[in-house]
Amino acid sequence: QTVVTQEPSFSVSPGGTVTLTCGLSSGSVSTSYSPTWYQQTPGQAPRTLIYNTDTRSSGVPDRFSGSILGNKAALTITGAQADDESDYYCVLYMGNYNVVFGGGTKLTVL
Amino acid sequence: LQLQASGSGLVKPSQTLSLTCAVSGDSISSGSYSWSWIRQPPGKGLEWIGYIYHTGRTYYSPSLKSRVTTSVDKSKNQFSLTLSSVTAADTAIYYCARALTPNWFDPWGQGTLVIVSS
Repeated sequence: QTVVTQEPSFSVSPGGTVTLTCGLSSGSVSTSYSPTWYQQTPGQAPRTLIYNTDTRSSGVPDRFSGSILGNKAALTITGAQADDESDYYCVLYMGNYNVVFGGGTKLTVL
Repeated sequence: LQLQASGSGLVKPSQTLSLTCAVSGDSISSGSYSWSWIRQPPGKGLEWIGYIYHTGRTYYSPSLKSRVTTSVDKSKNQFSLTLSSVTAADTAIYYCARALTPNWFDPWGQGTLVIVSS
């Protein structure tokens, strides 16, 4: 099965910009994979940030944005805040009703 | 809309895990949504298990397909998961969620921890 890849960890300074990516072990991510991004803080269920590549979920600040960059999906956080320190997961629709999560990125804000 | 997962918190190896997700705030039969199960081993990432439509149509992860069964009980507005022949690798927090698209899960239930141990 194709593996969905994410950076295991990333750090950003408060107020800085960071781009997390979501790729494939084989091939390129396109909008047809409908990349979706979730944020998860310890002890909590994930919450949707971005769906269908670049649509922000209700209530999500506009400092979060989604896109395709090169051959990967990307989640960009502009003006990072302390409470953005979380785990971030992308999930791709592989077709034929098959869904695969990436391994997640642990984002540190310091 | 709220979802609440519950079920067996401790399961012996080789036995069957059973969970139920109660849906409140909307009918499980409304819309074109499906209802999904996702799990997360302690300290690890998320894994999609499968989803079921209110019609009973099901789709499962290829890696779990041989051991997974899901069902819907419209009268109780809930859906269920069974996972057979469990091992320690099935120890995880199990989340239920509404699937608005195949990979857009919202909202999620709070999750329930299932430990596989003798």
